[in-house]
Amino acid sequence: ILNVEQSPQSLHVQEGDSTNFTCSFPSSNFYALHWYRWETAKSPEALFVMTLNGDEKKKGRISATLNTKEGYSYLYIKGSQPEDSATYLCAAEAGGTSYGKLTFGQGTILTVHP
Amino acid sequence: SQTIHQWPATLVQPVGSPLSLECTVEGTSNPNLYWYRQAAGRGLQLLFYSVGIGQISSEVPQNLSASRPQDRQFILSSKKLLLSDSGFYLCAWTQGNTGELFFGEGSRLTVL
Repeated sequence: ILNVEQSPQSLHVQEGDSTNFTCSFPSSNFYALHWYRWETAKSPEALFVMTLNGDEKKKGRISATLNTKEGYSYLYIKGSQPEDSATYLCAAEAGGTSYGKLTFGQGTILTVHP
Repeated sequence: SQTIHQWPATLVQPVGSPLSLECTVEGTSNPNLYWYRQAAGRGLQLLFYSVGIGQISSEVPQNLSASRPQDRQFILSSKKLLLSDSGFYLCAWTQGNTGELFFGEGSRLTVL
């Protein structure tokens, strides 16, 4: 069973602020790192799936980086908007017999105040 | 396009009663199917994983079971619910090597 940690647990920012969260995971037997956004009363939606060390992905104002050697990923939100308020989940996927099975962190709850 | 539905959305059950949560996927074939649970104050935990009809992998020891009677149908069951079974249950699917999970709407179970 992987141990996936996210920090901070919650975050309050003002509209227009840029922010970032951290996800740490075991670097051994790593296959992929996933980020999901979970808005209240909706289903979690995938933001990024990253596999390569040094990978950086971007979707609008949101971007993520991956360091598989040291076992961490950062999620950045530039110019936060109230609609960015959600729980952001990261999940690690190991290789071999664990392929396809994600271990999730507890999430970071982001609240963006207008 | 592919869609995933699960029901019921909300369920309040007494301790010792049975449970059946159902999940169906449309618009795809031979998906990998998953049941996750979020208990209070905890992250999403993988409960069951299925790569095909009748093929179920249980990830944690528990009071629950899963079945896949058809390619796009995944059912979570219990014969006798415990208080600790309370939580938010999510069905999800993925296919091929994308790895990205697509989640259903979720089912909130409260065991009293």
